[in-house]
Amino acid sequence: EIVLTQSPGTLSLSPGERATLSCRASQRMINSVAWYQLKPGQAPRLLIYDASNRAAGIPARFSGSGSGTDFTLTISSLETEDVAVYYCQQRFNWPLTFGGGTKVEIK
Amino acid sequence: EVQLVESGGGVVRPGGSLRLACTVSGFTFDDYPMHWFRQAPGKGLEWVAVISRDGSSTKYGDSVKGRFTISRDNTRKSLYLHLKSLAPEDTAFYYCAKDILGSGWYFADFWGQGTLVLVSS
Repeated sequence: EIVLTQSPGTLSLSPGERATLSCRASQRMINSVAWYQLKPGQAPRLLIYDASNRAAGIPARFSGSGSGTDFTLTISSLETEDVAVYYCQQRFNWPLTFGGGTKVEIK
Repeated sequence: EVQLVESGGGVVRPGGSLRLACTVSGFTFDDYPMHWFRQAPGKGLEWVAVISRDGSSTKYGDSVKGRFTISRDNTRKSLYLHLKSLAPEDTAFYYCAKDILGSGWYFADFWGQGTLVLVSS
């Protein structure tokens, strides 16, 4: 099983600041990573797939990068509506696995 | 508009069984593999199972293998998850989700709102 380790656990930033979320894999995975946003009471939302492709309707301030074992989700200019927990997921091996999540807060 | 609506959650005693359903609209159901995921209270996301477009192939997460069964009825545009031998650690919101690609790419681009399964005596 591929273990995904997300850091930091919590990110507290001011509106307009840049948020950088990390996802590290226990083995190399090419670009087989997606990022999801979870808000309480809402359906999870796919943001990025294949490490760097933005899903339909996702604002341009969200971007993904990385390959191999290290992946990053960047929110270029944080907005209050971006308060959520963000998870990375891998599809390189069965079972599909998720990281433990990064909570993004507004300072 | 793509919509997925889960139902069937509730309170069940340890060792009991439950069947969850997910009805969909807004896309051609039998063109896509479908998934179940879950999130326990205060915990992260966990993938539960996936089923192929025609239902002939399934895969499961290790924690539910042998206890949960995923199935689908393409004529009814419905996805199911049969849960048995339930334990308190199965308590979670259960989400159905559509695969991003018809051939199966194993990311989920549309999700339902979830249904809560509470395993408690």
